[in-house]
Order: sequence, then C-alpha cells, then structure tokens
Amino acid sequence: GAGVSQSPSNKVTEKGKDVELRCDPISGHTALYWYRQRLGQGLEFLIYFQGNSAPDKSGLPSDRFSAERTGESVSTLTIQRTQQEDSAVYLCASSFPGVTEAFFGQGTRLTVV
Amino acid sequence: GIQVEQSPPDLILQEGANSTLRCNFSDSVNNLQWFHQNPWGQLINLFYIPSGTKQNGRLSATTVATERYSLLYISSSQTTDSGVYFCAVGYGNNRLAFGKGNQVVVIP
Repeated sequence: GAGVSQSPSNKVTEKGKDVELRCDPISGHTALYWYRQRLGQGLEFLIYFQGNSAPDKSGLPSDRFSAERTGESVSTLTIQRTQQEDSAVYLCASSFPGVTEAFFGQGTRLTVV
Repeated sequence: GIQVEQSPPDLILQEGANSTLRCNFSDSVNNLQWFHQNPWGQLINLFYIPSGTKQNGRLSATTVATERYSLLYISSSQTTDSGVYFCAVGYGNNRLAFGKGNQVVVIP
C-alpha cells in the first residue's frame, strides 16, 4: 500500500479482555516496529521484526504482550488481560532492510475501561 | 541502551520567529530522523539525516555524527508548525530510539 496502515484506529475495551492490533507495512518493507506512546509522553519501543530473523522482543513490558508477523507482511500485536495502564496509542512503523528511513502508521488509540 | 536527549522540552514562539531544536545522543548511530507529530498524533517524516545538512522549505537540519548531535531549524514559524518534534536514532540492528520530544507552540 501507499503507507503504513493500522487498524482499528480506536479501540475501547474492558479491563481483563484481550485485544489484537493490526499493522500493514509498506510493500517491500522487511523491517517492522511497534511502539507505545502514553498520553503526553515519548515513544516507547516494544518489538522489532527484520525479515526472517528472530524478532527483538526486548521492549515488551510483560508476558501479556506478544506480537507476530507472517513473513514480510502483516503484524499483529496482542495484549492479553488488558489493564488500565495499557491505555495508550500503539504505533507501527516499517522500513526497507538495512539502515533506512522508517515510516509510521496513524496509530491505534487503545482505551481500557 | 543509547540515550537521546532533546532540548528545549517546551518552546513558545511568536509567529514569524526562528528557532533551533537540539538532539544529543550518547553513542554512535547508524541513522537519524526528525519527525513532527501533529495534533492528531500522526508522525510526519521531516528529515532522514545521518550526517550533513538538508533543507526543505522553511525547515533545515544538520547532523554532526562525530559530535553526536543534530539540530532542527525552523525559520519564519507558522501556527501549523505547532506540535511535538521527535528525534529518533538508529543503532545496532537498526533499532530506533526516540527522544522525549520538543513541544512547540506557535502563537499568532
């Protein structure tokens, strides 16, 4: 596609429910990043996929968070048993392999009530 | 991990004024990007600038990689320049680390 696409744009969920957030990277981009941005804060790294290499999961805050990517396409970030502190905007970015420019999607605003 | 510090954290400008935002980083980097986050939260790419100087309209950026800093210049600021400016550096296996941002408000 023309840009990085994320869905849904907004998600309201009840505490304790599981949620899935989706990211469609730019075609041909083998690198894919997930970040979390709490209100008024900077971007917090969550996970990084690069082609078929093992993902860098070092930023995932707890075992309730997981992410998958099928080949070099769509990625899904799953949050299990959501907590109120999970409320944030979740941003996805993609780039070509190697040292290249990253482009972001519009984000998913998650609200846990 | 690498530390990225942006200054000033907050800046209020009169429309038409010029300003400089700074990004310092603690280690060697593979690349550096400047983003503008608009009021709707979208991150807009401004510059991909691992070294050297680039200009795009009223904005320009300079990165001095050997001294571990980058500068973003805004000239003749407009109200549409308001928002948060983020510096992000790529290191290691191209992992991106972000600074906390520069909150810019341009008043008419």
